[in-house]
Amino acid sequence: ETGVTQTPRHLVMGMTNKKSLKCEQHLGHNAMYWYKQSAKKPLELMFVYNFKEQTENNSVPSRFSPECPNSSHLFLHLHTLQPEDSALYLCASSQEGGGLSTDTQYFGPGTRLTVL
Amino acid sequence: AQTVTQSQPEMSVQEAETVTLSCTYDTSESNYYLFWYKQPPSRQMILVIRQEAYKQQNATENRFSVNFQKAAKSFSLKISDSQLGDTAMYFCAFMKPKSKTSYDKVIFGPGTSLSVIP
Repeated sequence: ETGVTQTPRHLVMGMTNKKSLKCEQHLGHNAMYWYKQSAKKPLELMFVYNFKEQTENNSVPSRFSPECPNSSHLFLHLHTLQPEDSALYLCASSQEGGGLSTDTQYFGPGTRLTVL
Repeated sequence: AQTVTQSQPEMSVQEAETVTLSCTYDTSESNYYLFWYKQPPSRQMILVIRQEAYKQQNATENRFSVNFQKAAKSFSLKISDSQLGDTAMYFCAFMKPKSKTSYDKVIFGPGTSLSVIP
C-alpha cells in the first residue's frame, strides 16, 4: 500500500555468494534510498540516488554495490559479505526533484538478510 | 553533526489511554524537518507525522499529535486513545533541507518500543 516494494523479503547467503536486492517504487518519485537497520542501532543511510544519479555514498564498503537503472528501480548488489552485514535492508523513495524542497520518504517492507 | 536521541527504549500503555514518546535532537540548523515513523512487527516503516521547524503550530494527525519545542530542541509524540494496532517501534527522525551541495539526509533516533496492553 505504500507503493514501494522490495524483493526478496528474506535472503540467506554464504560469504562467497553474490546476490542482489531489488526495490521498485510506484509513486512517481525521483529519489531512492538504501538503509541498513541492524539490531539495537539507528537506521543507517547507505546510498541516495536522485534522478538516477548517485548523490550520497555514506562510507559503505565496496562489497555493497548499488545500481539505479531508472527512477523507479534500485538494486543493491551483494558480494563477499560478512556475518556482521546481516540486517534488515530498507529501501525508500521521495519526490525530490530539482528544487530546494524536502520531501517525506516512503519505505518498503525491507529485505531480511542473513549472512552465514 | 545532527543527532537524535530517544531516551525511552521501551514503553507500555493501556488500551484507550494516552502515551507520550520523547525525542530530542541537536542541530545548528534553523530550518529543518522532523518526523515520527512507526515500524510495526510486520517491519513496514510508516510515516506517522511530520513537522516543519518554521511552523509554530504543532502538527496533528487524528490521534497523533506532537509537542514541538524548537528552543528546547524537543519533539515529543502524543498518542491518544491508544489502540492495539499502535504496538510498534517508533522512530523520531530529523531532516535538514536540501542544498546545492547536499541532498536530503534523514537522521533517525534509536527508537522506542511501544506496547499497547489490552
